[in-house]
Amino acid sequence: SQTIHQWPATLVQPVGSPLSLECTVEGTSNPNLYWYRQAAGRGLQLLFYSVGIGQISSEVPQNLSASRPQDRQFILSSKKLLLSDSGFYLCAEGGTVNQPQHFGDGTRLSIL
Amino acid sequence: DQQVKQNSPSLSVQEGRISILNCDYTNSMFDYFLWYKKYPAEGPTFLISISSIKDKNEDGRFTVFLNKSAKHLSLHIVPSQPGDSAVYFCAASGSGTYKYIFGTGTRLKVLA
Repeated sequence: SQTIHQWPATLVQPVGSPLSLECTVEGTSNPNLYWYRQAAGRGLQLLFYSVGIGQISSEVPQNLSASRPQDRQFILSSKKLLLSDSGFYLCAEGGTVNQPQHFGDGTRLSIL
Repeated sequence: DQQVKQNSPSLSVQEGRISILNCDYTNSMFDYFLWYKKYPAEGPTFLISISSIKDKNEDGRFTVFLNKSAKHLSLHIVPSQPGDSAVYFCAASGSGTYKYIFGTGTRLKVLA
């Protein structure tokens, strides 16, 4: 079965600093990959998804970007963090037709 | 526009009784529905799903019911156990897409 690794588990960053969150997946090849954000008291918002290397679809215009340099690696980045970027960031894989997505354990990002 | 709604932010149930979590959606193109359970500081865990060709799916103590005419689904947990205490998210997707739309979650507390 697949395993989704996310790191770091928690991160505290100052406003204006850059960001790089990494997600790697084991146990599957050519997965669909996703980045979600859960803001305090809200549901999961899809930020980006990728169906293959170098293929990124953005769902919400924002201060963030995503890249997929390898088949099982998905990176979430920002050049300059805003206070509103605080939240719980989740990586997921899967979600092919009638198959569920599976999530990593997330990164708690706090912006000061 | 919130296409998937969980109108009850919280629910308390006695151990051994039935827990019923509700979810409403507005998009008639949704044809695959899922429930996830989430503990604090962890990623959501897939629980159960249902496709629009069915109106019920059962897995052990968990049953999902889908009422397409009312655009409503519910998750029944019988009997409820203290370990079921978590936040439950419903999600929906439309045919041919990889994108899930999540509700805002319902926090279930099962009292011993």
